Amino acid sequence: DSGVTQTPKHLITATGQRVTLRCSPRSGDLSVYWYQQSLDQGLQFLIQYYNGEERAKGNILERFSAQQFPDLHSELNLSSLELGDSALYFCASSRTATGSGNTIYFGEGSWLTVV
Amino acid sequence: QKEVEQDPGPLSVPEGAIVSLNCTYSNSAFQYFMWYRQYSRKGPELLMYTYSSGNKEDGRFTAQVDKSSKYISLFIRDSQPSDSATYLCAMSFVEMDSSYKLIFGSGTRLLVRP
Repeated sequence: DSGVTQTPKHLITATGQRVTLRCSPRSGDLSVYWYQQSLDQGLQFLIQYYNGEERAKGNILERFSAQQFPDLHSELNLSSLELGDSALYFCASSRTATGSGNTIYFGEGSWLTVV
Repeated sequence: QKEVEQDPGPLSVPEGAIVSLNCTYSNSAFQYFMWYRQYSRKGPELLMYTYSSGNKEDGRFTAQVDKSSKYISLFIRDSQPSDSATYLCAMSFVEMDSSYKLIFGSGTRLLVRP
């Protein structure tokens, strides 16, 4: 158990809808990262937050947004969903903005299916 | 050219075999090297982490880094069916503007046959 908690574990929704994925980082970690992993695709970095502020942005679509709250949990909002958004969404966390020993720890993921 | 290249496999070996998984990279700025194991539809789990060139051993796993050749390897001795998973290499460094750059390989699928 990495200590990173993600909810929900599974989610099925229709095209055009909006969903929110939630992440609680490891205790003491200030940085949260969001990744997308589609079938047969590698991990695609979406966005990083550090202590409530956006730190880095990757290949995140404009339909997607995220935030990190004062209690350090983070939410990833996905709107106007398309079939191609079906994927595993991972949250990861680290102690500093540059990793914990320069590495990060992943949650179990939220499996999103858009039908 | 991708910054990190990893053979997707699948790699199929008999139980007890020595497995060698490899990644090459092009950016000499990478300083930290990691291996993650990912079981199907689960989160990547950090296996090994190393900073310098050379070998690092942890049980049946050995991570090897050759910075001069920009090549890293993960060796698994006495492989077990429970080692069947996707193995992802990852590399990182901190840029001059203090931003954190972490790049993952695409992963190699390993199947250990009983």
